[in-house]
Amino acid sequence: NAGVTQTPKFRILKIGQSMTLQCTQDMNHNYMYWYRQDPGMGLKLIYYSVGAGITDKGEVPNGYNVSRSTTEDFPLRLELAAPSQTSVYFCASTHSSGGYNEQFFGPGTRLTVL
Amino acid sequence: GENVGLHLPTLSVQEGDNSIINCAYSNSASDYFIWYKQESGKGPQFIIDIRSNMDKRQGQRVTVLLNKTVKHLSLQIAATQPGDSAVYFCAGGSSGYSTLTFGKGTMLLVSP
Repeated sequence: NAGVTQTPKFRILKIGQSMTLQCTQDMNHNYMYWYRQDPGMGLKLIYYSVGAGITDKGEVPNGYNVSRSTTEDFPLRLELAAPSQTSVYFCASTHSSGGYNEQFFGPGTRLTVL
Repeated sequence: GENVGLHLPTLSVQEGDNSIINCAYSNSASDYFIWYKQESGKGPQFIIDIRSNMDKRQGQRVTVLLNKTVKHLSLQIAATQPGDSAVYFCAGGSSGYSTLTFGKGTMLLVSP
């Protein structure tokens, strides 16, 4: 199993550009999550999904969009990049009831918006 | 929702010492807690978890203690090694919810 994979590893965007952060898991997990981690801070939940076709906002959803068309993939879309979105983005997944099981994390995408 | 935070942002220890990292939570409904380790440039990695029907759980060189009365949990690392240097996060969740809430993290620095 590759676990949770994320692409790209690094990206620099200009203000106003858009991009999609990719996340794929091969563990057949139904729950998937997107977090951002600012320097010296903990993880803040952006969006999550409890299954294909179902998504919900987390703590900091503004400026982002997600979709979940398959169990494996959970892409995160930035439509108009802003400097405040400079951060490290982590995707995670878990099985069954997400609040009662460990989440498995990908290696992260480091995004800089200039 | 959950509010989980840590007391000490940085903990420096000598190799071979025992380390204790603390975490406080505010939501009485939280019944599941996890400790994660995050090495530089990597994603968080599961260390150990505990459910609220327990007050202690042991793993390999790690022990988690849960005190529900004061809403506090701790991670104890025995015989700390340089490879233990990382940021440690606690996270809390509830069986009725789909999400975990993470604390800010404590950086553990182990000197040889």
